[in-house]
Amino acid sequence: GAVVSQHPSRVICKSGTSVKIECRSLDFQATTMFWYRQFPKQSLMLMATSNEGSKATYEQGVEKDKFLINHASLTLSTLTVTSAHPEDSSFYICSAEPGRDFSEAFFGQGTRLTVV
Amino acid sequence: GQQVMQIPQYQHVQEGEDFTTYCNSSTTLSNIQWYKQRPGGHPVFLIQLVKSGEVKKQKRLTFQFGEAKKNSSLHITATQTTDVGTYFCAARNTGGFKTIFGAGTRLFVKA
Repeated sequence: GAVVSQHPSRVICKSGTSVKIECRSLDFQATTMFWYRQFPKQSLMLMATSNEGSKATYEQGVEKDKFLINHASLTLSTLTVTSAHPEDSSFYICSAEPGRDFSEAFFGQGTRLTVV
Repeated sequence: GQQVMQIPQYQHVQEGEDFTTYCNSSTTLSNIQWYKQRPGGHPVFLIQLVKSGEVKKQKRLTFQFGEAKKNSSLHITATQTTDVGTYFCAARNTGGFKTIFGAGTRLFVKA
């Protein structure tokens, strides 16, 4: 199946700093990628839809200035958590779908962010 | 917005017992997907159901899509310790392309 690579898998940063997370589709082009946040033992909450060449679409309640998304190419989307705070600590995960229809979503490995 | 309700939240079973998780939507779904997430891992696609009343099997796993396409279930026969994890159903939001996940059912299997 298709492969989505997410990096880094774990990151620890100090409060006030920014962290960039990369999501790459390795063997297919993805005009749309999705960013989720998952709290322990909870479901995946969609944060935003990353659109190649245009602005991301954020879900209600997600601060666009805090969670910067850039989708510069058909195979790469980045999520930058700016001025991170301990409450931003979470598991962030991206996904992409090779097809345009509601097809199988391939997930990255996820990034465990800890803000100290 | 569209919501997919999933129950139960947790299920503890003895190895060898059966397990079922259910998903329900108040609106008709065009199709539904199921994913499994192992502890510490990322969701992995299991299957997609499209047709009304569709039933698909994968070894000990049986997936059903309701006749009205508003509900779906995943049934595991004779659970094994390798079945441990969280099972999510997912549906496309109406008229859109966002995937909405159910809350997930966390399965614990005791050997």
